Amino acid sequence: QSALTQPASVSGSPGQSITISCTGTRSDIGGYNYLSWYQHHPGKVPKLMIYEVSNRPSGVSSRFSGSKSGNTASLTISGLQAEDEADYYCTSYTTSGTWVFGTGTKVTVL
Amino acid sequence: QVQLVESGGGVVQPGGSLRISCAASGYTFTDHGMHWVRQAPGTGLEWVAFINFDETKKNYLDSVKGRFTISRDTSKNTVYLQMNSLRSDDTAVYYCTKAEWFAFAYWGQGTLVTVSS
Repeated sequence: QSALTQPASVSGSPGQSITISCTGTRSDIGGYNYLSWYQHHPGKVPKLMIYEVSNRPSGVSSRFSGSKSGNTASLTISGLQAEDEADYYCTSYTTSGTWVFGTGTKVTVL
Repeated sequence: QVQLVESGGGVVQPGGSLRISCAASGYTFTDHGMHWVRQAPGTGLEWVAFINFDETKKNYLDSVKGRFTISRDTSKNTVYLQMNSLRSDDTAVYYCTKAEWFAFAYWGQGTLVTVSS
């Protein structure tokens, strides 16, 4: 149950697009399309942003999009806004019937 | 709207036990599984345990297997996490979440568990 690998930090200017990667193995990301992304503002409750690789729950901005290729998933935030500054985590279902989170990425809006 | 309210956190000595609860409302409790996810101070999120809608399936993080037990009471719309043989590295905010789309669709506010002598 090793954590999925994410970059520690990603930054961008308002209006720009950024992409956060999430790398796993054939036993998790590569095995299923049960890959989701969460936004977590410190001190607040995490929020589901993307489920099943690329689906957005009702109410989540279309500026957030997800994709997957092989054992790596990506979250893209387009039109970056100050309110997007937060920690982001990916998570995947695994072949062991468990779930594993990514290491987390701090997004900074310059 | 979906509401998840955790309770039962507190300070416990190493080796001790604690049961935390999560009361769910705003949806049909028996239609969905539930997870516990934790965040230790200064670290990231970590999945802990899952129970499916009818309690026939339970899964655990390796490091809590044999020490933690997840259960649910449909008469109270509540999910529990019984934690035994607690260690300092179990110190964390514990969140309950509603399972949907193999994801953590809704989160409670969390309850803090501190393991310390």
